[in-house]
Amino acid sequence: ETGVTQTPRHLVMGMTNKKSLKCEQHLGHNAMYWYKQSAKKPLELMFVYSLEERVENNSVPSRFSPECPNSSHLFLHLHTLQPEDSALYLCASSHLGLAGGGEQFFGPGTRLTVL
Amino acid sequence: RKEVEQDPGPFNVPEGATVAFNCTYSNSASQSFFWYRQDCRKEPKLLMSVYSSGNEDGRFTAQLNRASQYISLLIRDSKLSDSATYLCVIMEYGNKLVFGAGTILRVKS
Repeated sequence: ETGVTQTPRHLVMGMTNKKSLKCEQHLGHNAMYWYKQSAKKPLELMFVYSLEERVENNSVPSRFSPECPNSSHLFLHLHTLQPEDSALYLCASSHLGLAGGGEQFFGPGTRLTVL
Repeated sequence: RKEVEQDPGPFNVPEGATVAFNCTYSNSASQSFFWYRQDCRKEPKLLMSVYSSGNEDGRFTAQLNRASQYISLLIRDSKLSDSATYLCVIMEYGNKLVFGAGTILRVKS
């Protein structure tokens, strides 16, 4: 069983809605990530938080707004999305600083559909 | 040029077959290398790390050629349960993972 949970698992929203995705990790990790996975495309890194500070913002539009209130929780706030934002949004966590680090543990994802 | 390139497949093989996947990467400064596995409608999970000396885990063997910027994964004696998408992943500076689009494997009885 994954130590990373995500809610909701499925979300349908209109372009004018505001919603939030939630991620929680129970692994004691110090880094958390948001990825976007579209059909037939590689996972795209969106945001990285290390020790609760954002260290990477991969040219993501401002309609996506991350929040990391503590080392166990990560949110992705969504507003005025476009239909092309429909995708699977995956959260992951890892422990930075360990030799050989690189294993990221993923949550099950939120399947987002924007109408 | 894509940062990580993989043959998308699908590779359709019978049970018991040996199958090999290849991957090339463009950033010569990449630090670490991995194969992840993603089952249909599931999240990716680490399959194995890839070392320059080559490494083996049961039926799975991974190889890295830094000079050619090439990574491979060999699966021997394929099982039905090996059917999945195999993601080639490199780690760049700052523990940033860059994923390939994946290679689909279908093992059939």
